[in-house]
Amino acid sequence: ELKVEQNPLFLSMQEGKNYTIYCNYSTTSDRLYWYRQDPGKSLESLFVLLSNGAVKQEGRLMASLDTKARLSTLHITAAVHDLSATYFCAVDMGGSQGNLIFGKGTKLSVKP
Amino acid sequence: NAGVTQTPKFRVLKTGQSMTLLCAQDMNHEYMYWYRQDPGMGLRLIHYSVGEGTTAKGEVPDGYNVSRLKKQNFLLGLESAAPSQTSVYFCASSGGFGYTFGSGTRLTVV
Repeated sequence: ELKVEQNPLFLSMQEGKNYTIYCNYSTTSDRLYWYRQDPGKSLESLFVLLSNGAVKQEGRLMASLDTKARLSTLHITAAVHDLSATYFCAVDMGGSQGNLIFGKGTKLSVKP
Repeated sequence: NAGVTQTPKFRVLKTGQSMTLLCAQDMNHEYMYWYRQDPGMGLRLIHYSVGEGTTAKGEVPDGYNVSRLKKQNFLLGLESAAPSQTSVYFCASSGGFGYTFGSGTRLTVV
Protein backbone atom coordinates (compact mmCIF):
# COMPACT_ATOMS: atom_id res chain seq x y z
CA GLU A 1 0.00 0.00 0.00
CA LEU A 2 1.37 3.36 -1.02
CA LYS A 3 1.78 5.87 1.77
CA VAL A 4 2.54 9.54 1.24
CA GLU A 5 3.94 11.61 4.07
CA GLN A 6 4.28 15.37 4.00
CA ASN A 7 6.14 17.48 6.49
CA PRO A 8 5.72 19.80 8.06
CA LEU A 9 1.94 19.76 8.34
CA PHE A 10 1.88 23.37 9.52
CA LEU A 11 4.30 26.08 8.54
CA SER A 12 4.32 29.66 9.68
CA MET A 13 6.75 31.81 7.76
CA GLN A 14 7.76 35.41 7.64
CA GLU A 15 7.65 37.24 4.37
CA GLY A 16 10.95 37.16 2.56
CA LYS A 17 12.11 33.87 4.08
CA ASN A 18 12.82 30.58 2.32
CA TYR A 19 11.52 27.18 3.25
CA THR A 20 11.03 23.65 1.93
CA ILE A 21 8.11 21.25 2.17
CA TYR A 22 8.97 17.56 1.93
CA CYS A 23 6.96 14.73 0.45
CA ASN A 24 8.07 11.14 1.03
CA TYR A 25 6.33 8.15 -0.48
CA SER A 26 6.68 4.45 0.14
CA THR A 27 6.34 2.72 -3.24
CA THR A 28 7.92 3.20 -6.62
CA SER A 29 6.24 5.85 -8.73
CA ASP A 30 7.53 8.16 -11.40
CA ARG A 31 4.74 10.70 -11.46
CA LEU A 32 4.06 13.17 -8.68
CA TYR A 33 1.79 16.19 -8.47
CA TRP A 34 1.76 19.28 -6.31
CA TYR A 35 -1.50 21.12 -5.67
CA ARG A 36 -2.49 24.29 -3.94
CA GLN A 37 -5.80 24.69 -2.12
CA ASP A 38 -7.20 27.94 -0.78
CA PRO A 39 -9.84 27.78 1.98
CA GLY A 40 -13.18 26.61 0.64
CA LYS A 41 -11.79 26.13 -2.86
CA SER A 42 -10.86 23.26 -5.12
CA LEU A 43 -7.37 22.03 -5.90
CA GLU A 44 -5.20 24.03 -8.25
CA SER A 45 -2.52 22.10 -10.08
CA LEU A 46 0.95 23.56 -9.54
CA PHE A 47 3.42 21.03 -10.90
CA VAL A 48 3.56 17.62 -12.51
CA LEU A 49 6.89 15.84 -12.06
CA LEU A 50 7.36 12.95 -14.44
CA SER A 51 10.83 11.56 -14.00
CA ASN A 52 13.78 11.25 -11.70
CA GLY A 53 15.60 14.52 -11.35
CA ALA A 54 12.71 16.57 -12.68
CA VAL A 55 12.72 20.17 -11.53
CA LYS A 56 10.03 22.72 -12.28
CA GLN A 57 9.74 26.34 -11.23
CA GLU A 58 6.92 28.82 -11.29
CA GLY A 59 7.45 32.17 -9.65
CA ARG A 60 8.59 31.69 -6.06
CA LEU A 61 7.88 27.95 -6.06
CA MET A 62 10.21 25.21 -7.23
CA ALA A 63 9.46 21.51 -7.13
CA SER A 64 11.83 18.58 -7.58
CA LEU A 65 11.57 14.81 -7.69
CA ASP A 66 14.06 12.14 -6.65
CA THR A 67 12.46 8.79 -7.49
CA LYS A 68 15.36 6.80 -6.04
CA ALA A 69 14.94 8.43 -2.65
CA ARG A 70 11.15 8.52 -3.13
CA LEU A 71 11.21 12.16 -2.21
CA SER A 72 9.80 15.34 -3.66
CA THR A 73 10.39 18.85 -2.37
CA LEU A 74 8.53 22.10 -2.81
CA HIS A 75 10.83 25.02 -2.16
CA ILE A 76 9.50 28.47 -1.40
CA THR A 77 11.76 31.42 -2.12
CA ALA A 78 11.22 34.82 -0.51
CA ALA A 79 7.71 34.03 0.65
CA VAL A 80 4.91 36.53 0.22
CA HIS A 81 1.49 36.62 1.89
CA ASP A 82 -0.26 35.50 -1.31
CA LEU A 83 1.40 32.10 -0.97
CA SER A 84 -0.61 31.36 2.17
CA ALA A 85 -2.61 28.21 1.38
CA THR A 86 -2.55 24.45 1.91
CA TYR A 87 -0.18 22.52 -0.34
CA PHE A 88 -0.66 18.86 -1.19
CA CYS A 89 1.60 16.40 -2.88
CA ALA A 90 -0.02 13.43 -4.58
CA VAL A 91 1.62 10.34 -5.99
CA ASP A 92 0.15 8.68 -9.05
CA MET A 93 -0.35 4.95 -8.61
CA GLY A 94 -0.19 4.49 -12.36
CA GLY A 95 -1.41 1.28 -13.90
CA SER A 96 -4.64 0.90 -15.80
CA GLN A 97 -6.71 3.11 -13.55
CA GLY A 98 -4.33 5.78 -12.41
CA ASN A 99 -5.32 7.17 -9.06
CA LEU A 100 -3.71 9.71 -6.81
CA ILE A 101 -2.66 9.06 -3.25
CA PHE A 102 -2.49 12.32 -1.34
CA GLY A 103 -0.38 13.51 1.51
CA LYS A 104 -2.18 15.17 4.40
CA GLY A 105 -1.22 18.62 3.23
CA THR A 106 0.95 21.43 4.55
CA LYS A 107 -0.88 24.50 5.76
CA LEU A 108 1.33 27.47 5.02
CA SER A 109 0.82 30.82 6.64
CA VAL A 110 3.02 33.71 5.54
CA LYS A 111 3.05 36.63 7.93
CA PRO A 112 4.31 40.17 7.28
CA ASN B 1 -15.05 24.64 -21.50
CA ALA B 2 -16.65 23.67 -18.18
CA GLY B 3 -14.22 20.88 -17.22
CA VAL B 4 -15.63 19.01 -14.21
CA THR B 5 -18.92 20.19 -12.75
CA GLN B 6 -20.28 19.03 -9.42
CA THR B 7 -23.82 19.49 -8.16
CA PRO B 8 -24.96 20.44 -5.63
CA LYS B 9 -22.32 22.69 -4.07
CA PHE B 10 -23.80 22.55 -0.58
CA ARG B 11 -26.25 20.22 1.13
CA VAL B 12 -27.48 19.53 4.64
CA LEU B 13 -28.96 16.10 5.28
CA LYS B 14 -30.59 14.52 8.26
CA THR B 15 -29.23 11.22 9.50
CA GLY B 16 -30.78 8.38 7.52
CA GLN B 17 -31.68 10.45 4.47
CA SER B 18 -30.37 9.59 1.05
CA MET B 19 -28.94 11.73 -1.70
CA THR B 20 -26.97 11.61 -4.93
CA LEU B 21 -24.04 13.79 -5.89
CA LEU B 22 -23.54 14.35 -9.59
CA CYS B 23 -20.23 14.79 -11.37
CA ALA B 24 -20.17 15.71 -15.05
CA GLN B 25 -17.11 16.15 -17.28
CA ASP B 26 -16.94 17.39 -20.84
CA MET B 27 -13.37 16.34 -21.68
CA ASN B 28 -14.18 12.81 -22.86
CA HIS B 29 -12.05 11.38 -20.04
CA GLU B 30 -12.16 7.66 -19.37
CA TYR B 31 -11.27 7.79 -15.70
CA MET B 32 -13.36 9.40 -13.01
CA TYR B 33 -12.92 9.49 -9.23
CA TRP B 34 -14.74 10.48 -6.07
CA TYR B 35 -12.68 11.70 -3.11
CA ARG B 36 -13.63 12.97 0.29
CA GLN B 37 -11.64 15.57 2.17
CA ASP B 38 -11.66 15.81 5.93
CA PRO B 39 -9.61 18.20 8.06
CA GLY B 40 -6.05 17.00 8.47
CA MET B 41 -6.63 13.92 6.30
CA GLY B 42 -5.85 15.05 2.79
CA LEU B 43 -8.09 13.56 0.10
CA ARG B 44 -9.10 9.91 0.27
CA LEU B 45 -10.47 7.90 -2.61
CA ILE B 46 -14.02 6.58 -2.22
CA HIS B 47 -14.74 4.95 -5.59
CA TYR B 48 -13.47 5.26 -9.10
CA SER B 49 -14.34 4.27 -12.66
CA VAL B 50 -12.10 3.37 -15.56
CA GLY B 51 -14.82 3.70 -18.17
CA GLU B 52 -18.53 3.73 -18.88
CA GLY B 53 -20.31 0.96 -17.01
CA THR B 54 -17.38 0.23 -14.66
CA THR B 55 -16.85 1.09 -11.01
CA ALA B 56 -14.38 0.01 -8.34
CA LYS B 57 -13.81 0.58 -4.64
CA GLY B 58 -11.20 2.95 -3.33
CA GLU B 59 -9.78 3.41 0.15
CA VAL B 60 -13.00 4.42 1.98
CA PRO B 61 -16.00 2.95 0.08
CA ASP B 62 -18.27 1.97 2.97
CA GLY B 63 -21.63 3.74 3.01
CA TYR B 64 -21.36 4.90 -0.61
CA ASN B 65 -22.44 3.58 -3.98
CA VAL B 66 -21.57 4.84 -7.45
CA SER B 67 -22.73 4.48 -11.01
CA ARG B 68 -21.28 5.40 -14.39
CA LEU B 69 -24.07 4.83 -16.87
CA LYS B 70 -22.74 7.49 -19.24
CA LYS B 71 -19.11 8.26 -19.90
CA GLN B 72 -19.46 11.90 -18.94
CA ASN B 73 -21.28 11.34 -15.63
CA PHE B 74 -20.22 9.74 -12.36
CA LEU B 75 -22.79 9.60 -9.57
CA LEU B 76 -22.07 9.15 -5.88
CA GLY B 77 -24.93 7.94 -3.71
CA LEU B 78 -25.46 7.90 0.02
CA GLU B 79 -28.29 5.50 0.84
CA SER B 80 -28.55 6.29 4.55
CA ALA B 81 -26.48 9.28 5.54
CA ALA B 82 -24.51 9.26 8.79
CA PRO B 83 -22.78 12.14 10.62
CA SER B 84 -19.43 10.49 9.79
CA GLN B 85 -20.13 11.30 6.15
CA THR B 86 -19.98 15.02 6.83
CA SER B 87 -17.18 16.06 4.53
CA VAL B 88 -16.23 17.90 1.37
CA TYR B 89 -16.54 15.69 -1.69
CA PHE B 90 -14.44 16.20 -4.79
CA CYS B 91 -14.87 14.59 -8.15
CA ALA B 92 -11.96 14.31 -10.56
CA SER B 93 -11.45 13.04 -14.07
CA SER B 94 -8.40 11.99 -16.02
CA GLY B 95 -7.61 11.15 -19.61
CA GLY B 96 -4.48 9.27 -18.59
CA PHE B 97 -2.29 12.28 -17.92
CA GLY B 98 -3.18 14.90 -15.38
CA TYR B 99 -6.27 15.21 -13.26
CA THR B 100 -9.03 17.82 -13.32
CA PHE B 101 -10.95 18.43 -10.10
CA GLY B 102 -14.43 19.76 -9.61
CA SER B 103 -15.20 22.62 -7.23
CA GLY B 104 -16.44 20.32 -4.49
CA THR B 105 -19.66 19.56 -2.60
CA ARG B 106 -19.84 20.48 1.06
CA LEU B 107 -22.11 17.96 2.78
CA THR B 108 -23.25 18.20 6.37
CA VAL B 109 -25.17 15.35 7.99
CA VAL B 110 -26.98 16.31 11.20
